[in-house]
Amino acid sequence: TQLLEQSPQFLSIQEGENLTVYCNSSSVFSSLQWYRQEPGEGPVLLVTVVTGGEVKKLKRLTFQFGDARKDSSLHITAAQPGDTGLYLCAGGPGTYKYIFGTGTRLKVLA
Amino acid sequence: KAGVTQTPRYLIKTRGQQVTLSCSPISGHRSVSWYQQTPGQGLQFLFEYFSETQRNKGNFPGRFSGRQFSNSRSEMNVSTLELGDSALYLCASSRLRQETQYFGPGTRLLVL
Repeated sequence: TQLLEQSPQFLSIQEGENLTVYCNSSSVFSSLQWYRQEPGEGPVLLVTVVTGGEVKKLKRLTFQFGDARKDSSLHITAAQPGDTGLYLCAGGPGTYKYIFGTGTRLKVLA
Repeated sequence: KAGVTQTPRYLIKTRGQQVTLSCSPISGHRSVSWYQQTPGQGLQFLFEYFSETQRNKGNFPGRFSGRQFSNSRSEMNVSTLELGDSALYLCASSRLRQETQYFGPGTRLLVL
């Protein structure tokens, strides 16, 4: 069974701090996506990485796909309250479409 | 271009009842997938429809079913509701099966 473990589960930081969220699996994925979800809403796609070792930047967010395509990280520089939300990684597509990670709930305090 | 829309947004049912949820994909998208999200289990894949045919199914009991219409709109049905079916049900659409999927806002179902 493919599983995606995210760490940490919860993160509460002050505005301006940096943070890194990890997404790990023992399985290889053809692509990996990162989403942010706000309460009561659907996940919003942030980025898709498809090549091992790939690094993508989206303003203050940096995404990296592991060389072996089994893990990924999301780094946020100078976090802002607007970054608050549930961050989800998802690997696939496969039999079960996308396998979603366990999620990291981030709270950025002003 | 309008995003994925789901109706209703909120629903309260009692145990034993059945419920039908609707999803309208982004225009031009032919693949629709359904997911269940709960605090304990996270986001889990229910099933995927493409060209009116179910292509994949997750590990859910037969009480969960769905269909897709010729205009790509999809419905999912849950019969004989149980308390554990309380969840956020999310629909996601993509142009083709292997392409990026975009989520709707979800339907929050509460079973009492």
